[in-house]
Amino acid sequence: SQTIHQWPATLVQPVGSPLSLECTVEGTSNPNLYWYRQAAGRGLQLLFYSVGIGQISSEVPQNLSASRPQDRQFILSSKKLLLSDSGFYLCAWSLGDRDSPLHFGNGTRLTVT
Amino acid sequence: QKEVEQNSGPLSVPEGAIASLNCTYSDRVSQSFFWYRQYSGKSPELIMSIYSNGDKEDGRFTAQLNKASQYVSLLIRDSQPSDSATYLCAATNAGNMLTFGGGTRLMVKP
Repeated sequence: SQTIHQWPATLVQPVGSPLSLECTVEGTSNPNLYWYRQAAGRGLQLLFYSVGIGQISSEVPQNLSASRPQDRQFILSSKKLLLSDSGFYLCAWSLGDRDSPLHFGNGTRLTVT
Repeated sequence: QKEVEQNSGPLSVPEGAIASLNCTYSDRVSQSFFWYRQYSGKSPELIMSIYSNGDKEDGRFTAQLNKASQYVSLLIRDSQPSDSATYLCAATNAGNMLTFGGGTRLMVKP
């Protein structure tokens, strides 16, 4: 069966510091991978998605970037965090076809101070 | 912009009652629909998927789809306090991407 791992679970970072969140998927090949952000009490905001190695689509312009160095690895990064980057970051995967749901990791709660 | 709309709630029901959660979508090409449950501080968990008009039952959960009315619902029978969570409705668009609603917060009172 497929599993998705996301770490760290919580992170407190000062403004201006860099960020790296990692996500890996096991048990499937060539998944679609996604990064979402959820502000407190708000809905899911799609940040990036990837349909293959090195293929990244950005949904929201901001100071975050994503990379997919391996088939089942997805990384979210920032060179300098802003206060507004605080939130709950979720990695997800799907098979990419019309009937496939998203499967979410456990999330990373990021607080920028 | 294609949207999925949900009443944010909270929807409050007594324990043992039926909770009815509703969702409308604007993209007529949407073919697949999903319900997720999200407990406070946790990630969304898939609980139901539905692809054709009608009802689909899974335990205490029933998903209903009406493509003509662009309407999806989730019924939870014999609601329990452990069902208290935010329920997210999602629909696929033409590019097979999921669009999520803002979620409905359900509170089941003992």
